[in-house]
Amino acid sequence: EPEVTQTPSHQVTQMGQEVILRCVPISNHLYFYWYRQILGQKVEFLVSFYNNEISEKSEIFDDQFSVERPDGSNFTLKIRSTKLEDSAMYFCASSGRGALGRGGELFFGEGSRLTVL
Amino acid sequence: SQQGEEDPQALSIQEGENATMNCSYKTSINNLQWYRQNSGRGLVHLILIRSNEREKHSGRLRVTLDTSKKSSSLLITASRAADTASYFCATDHYSSYKLIFGSGTRLLVRP
Repeated sequence: EPEVTQTPSHQVTQMGQEVILRCVPISNHLYFYWYRQILGQKVEFLVSFYNNEISEKSEIFDDQFSVERPDGSNFTLKIRSTKLEDSAMYFCASSGRGALGRGGELFFGEGSRLTVL
Repeated sequence: SQQGEEDPQALSIQEGENATMNCSYKTSINNLQWYRQNSGRGLVHLILIRSNEREKHSGRLRVTLDTSKKSSSLLITASRAADTASYFCATDHYSSYKLIFGSGTRLLVRP
């Protein structure tokens, strides 16, 4: 069964360092998302991506964050200068259904745990 | 505004019992979905109910939606220890691309 894969599964970094989290969405999906979950808390929307551009982003997704789909298969989240409060589990998701990506089931990866020291 | 607030926050039941989780939301929705998350894992889609539907079944799952009360419930019948997980409702809206998740209910099914 097709699945969303994420790497790395865990990354430890120093505050101020750049981090890139990678995702390979399901191959025929068109809509891509990043969510994050601080330990034991809500799953928070960061950004959605469609047709090679950001379709929506939350207030969390400030100038320190960027997303890219560099080669038609990978979907990356970059945090330019990490802060302690960026420590969280980051989930990539993709969807292939629904008008403009709405209303469709999201398929999630297993997440990348980011620890900022 | 926050959407999809679940209650209870935590629920502990005996294997074989039914588990009911509730979700409330604030603004009109397109669809409502329920997801499951095992500890430390990704979220897995369980069931989707459209705004013009009132009830939906899938195996041991039953979901209801009351748009007048802006609420939904997820019933898991004949629970098993393997149902132990967190359960989240998620809503999407006509004007938005994102799926907004609630705070989740942590379900513990005791063998």
